Amino acid sequence: AQSVTQLGSHVSVSEGALVLLRCNYSSSVPPYLFWYVQYPNQGLQLLLKYTSAATLVKGINGFEAEFKKSETSFHLTKPSAHMSDAAEYFCAVSVIGTSYGKLTFGQGTILTVHP
Amino acid sequence: EAGVTQFPSHSVIEKGQTVTLRCDPISGHDNLYWYRRVMGKEIKFLLHFVKESKQDESGMPNNRFLAERTGGTYSTLKVQPAELEDSGVYFCASSPWVTGYGYTFGSGTRLTVV
Repeated sequence: AQSVTQLGSHVSVSEGALVLLRCNYSSSVPPYLFWYVQYPNQGLQLLLKYTSAATLVKGINGFEAEFKKSETSFHLTKPSAHMSDAAEYFCAVSVIGTSYGKLTFGQGTILTVHP
Repeated sequence: EAGVTQFPSHSVIEKGQTVTLRCDPISGHDNLYWYRRVMGKEIKFLLHFVKESKQDESGMPNNRFLAERTGGTYSTLKVQPAELEDSGVYFCASSPWVTGYGYTFGSGTRLTVV
């Protein structure tokens, strides 16, 4: 079975500062990894995904994440935070072949951006 | 194209009552998923439909929950009778295929049982 751990339920940064949201996964087979974002009163939106191609994945809104197999990590970064990035972010893992695309989510990280 | 639509967006019911949540997937999407987030917890898988068939319902909490997808189009999730611990946000998602490439989520239904 797979699992996901997001380190830090709340992260606060200043506008213009680096955003780093941490995600570690556990999977017995090569995983597919995702970051989703939920803005207030909206649904989950896919930010980016790793599906066994390039290990550095670029997503929407300037976010990117790097798959590091040796560290079982998939941390999300953005060089310069914007006020509009304030939201809750979810890391998720999926394993194809046994779970038909079922996602296992981390606990979520609320990102606050200060002016 | 229209996205995944869920309604109602909010529902407040009393313990013991029945509530039915509805999800309209993106047209043509055979795969439909239900997830739930109880307050303070992670988002958890409930079940997966392929067309009208239940592919995986391993996440359904108990037999008070009944999901249907008649005709392979929209889906309903009925909770009967509702308990306090059923409160949370229920998300629906759909995908044209099962690839693990991620899918499109609806805005969710916030269910409060009082």
